[in-house]
Amino acid sequence: AQSVAQPEDQVNVAEGNPLTVKCTYSVSGNPYLFWYVQYPNRGLQFLLKYITGDNLVKGSYGFEAEFNKSQTSFHLKKPSALVSDSALYFCAVRALTGNTGKLIFGQGTTLQVKP
Amino acid sequence: GAVVSQHPSRVICKSGTSVKIECRSLDFQATTMFWYRQFPKQSLMLMATSNEGSKATYEQGVEKDKFLINHASLTLSTLTVTSAHPEDSSFYICSARYTSPLEAFFGQGTRLTVV
Repeated sequence: AQSVAQPEDQVNVAEGNPLTVKCTYSVSGNPYLFWYVQYPNRGLQFLLKYITGDNLVKGSYGFEAEFNKSQTSFHLKKPSALVSDSALYFCAVRALTGNTGKLIFGQGTTLQVKP
Repeated sequence: GAVVSQHPSRVICKSGTSVKIECRSLDFQATTMFWYRQFPKQSLMLMATSNEGSKATYEQGVEKDKFLINHASLTLSTLTVTSAHPEDSSFYICSARYTSPLEAFFGQGTRLTVV
């Protein structure tokens, strides 16, 4: 069965410090991996995706993520956090094989950046 | 990125009435749209997958007669919550994707409150 896990409910960092939001996945076949951000009472905004190629993916707002096949991880990172980065972050996966187009989401991680 | 517009953003209705939520892809043709439900501080739960011109595919446990989905054109899908009850109060989010299986784009969500 396909699944995505975000082991941390909340991540707290100080403004200016690097941040990491963790994500691990389990799929059959090669994965498409995504990160989305959600602000209160809003829909999801696309941050970045991994399809194939370079394991380090750069996305919107200075975020990047590293695909690690051996560890089945796709952690979201940013070198220097901003208070405005505080939001709910979702990792999602879609398998290439038997693809129906459905995304499977992790449970979400709340990022709190303090001034 | 592509724009998905969801309307209304917020609706309050009386118990027993029906509510329709619209999801439009503004600058692309969406062959597939997805409807999600999100409870407070929780992940997105996929309710159904909607393909243009055909019946929606509902996830297990989702009542198709209660949550009516219509995808009559390549740019519009609607979700109608019939005979709404307070337990249907939730945040509903739609997403749409291109014909190729890349990232999905999300509407801004609809906060439904049934009183």
